[in-house]
Amino acid sequence: EPEVTQTPSHQVTQMGQEVILRCVPISNHLYFYWYRQILGQKVEFLVSFYNNEISEKSEIFDDQFSVERPDGSNFTLKIRSTKLEDSAMYFCASSPSSLADTQYFGPGTRLTVL
Amino acid sequence: GQQVMQIPQYQHVQEGEDFTTYCNSSTTLSNIQWYKQRPGGHPVFLIQLVKSGEVKKQKRLTFQFGEAKKNSSLHITATQTTDVGTYFCAVSSNTGKLIFGQGTTLQVKP
Repeated sequence: EPEVTQTPSHQVTQMGQEVILRCVPISNHLYFYWYRQILGQKVEFLVSFYNNEISEKSEIFDDQFSVERPDGSNFTLKIRSTKLEDSAMYFCASSPSSLADTQYFGPGTRLTVL
Repeated sequence: GQQVMQIPQYQHVQEGEDFTTYCNSSTTLSNIQWYKQRPGGHPVFLIQLVKSGEVKKQKRLTFQFGEAKKNSSLHITATQTTDVGTYFCAVSSNTGKLIFGQGTTLQVKP
């Protein structure tokens, strides 16, 4: 069964450094999402992406964040200058063909900012 | 913005006991989805409910959507140790984003 994949599984970085989290959505999916989950808390929406542009972003998704689909298969989340409070699990998700479709989550990247 | 409240936050049960988690909203929901997250894992879709009063079953799991479409529940009959994890309700907005509840973490004592 096709799966969403994410790399790396764990990223440790120093405060102020840039990080890029990578996702490969399921191949025929059209809608892409990033969520984050701070340890022990609920899953929070960051951004949705469709047709090569951002559809919606949350208030968490400030100017430090950006997303890109550079080559038709990868979907990346960049954090320009990481802060301690960016430490969290970041999940990528994709859904097939409409907003009502089930979202399939990747295994996540655990980001630790020191 | 839209919010969903989920209770309880934690539930410890003896294997074989039943378990229920509840999700409530102050506004009418167009749909409700349920996800399970195993410890250290990622959310896995379980089911979506869209109709008022809808009840769906998956083996020992029963999902219900309230008549007013403001609440939902997930009931597990005769829990097993494989049921351990955090169960989240989530609402899909008209833009596709999922708004998650706080989750109920289930521990099952063998």
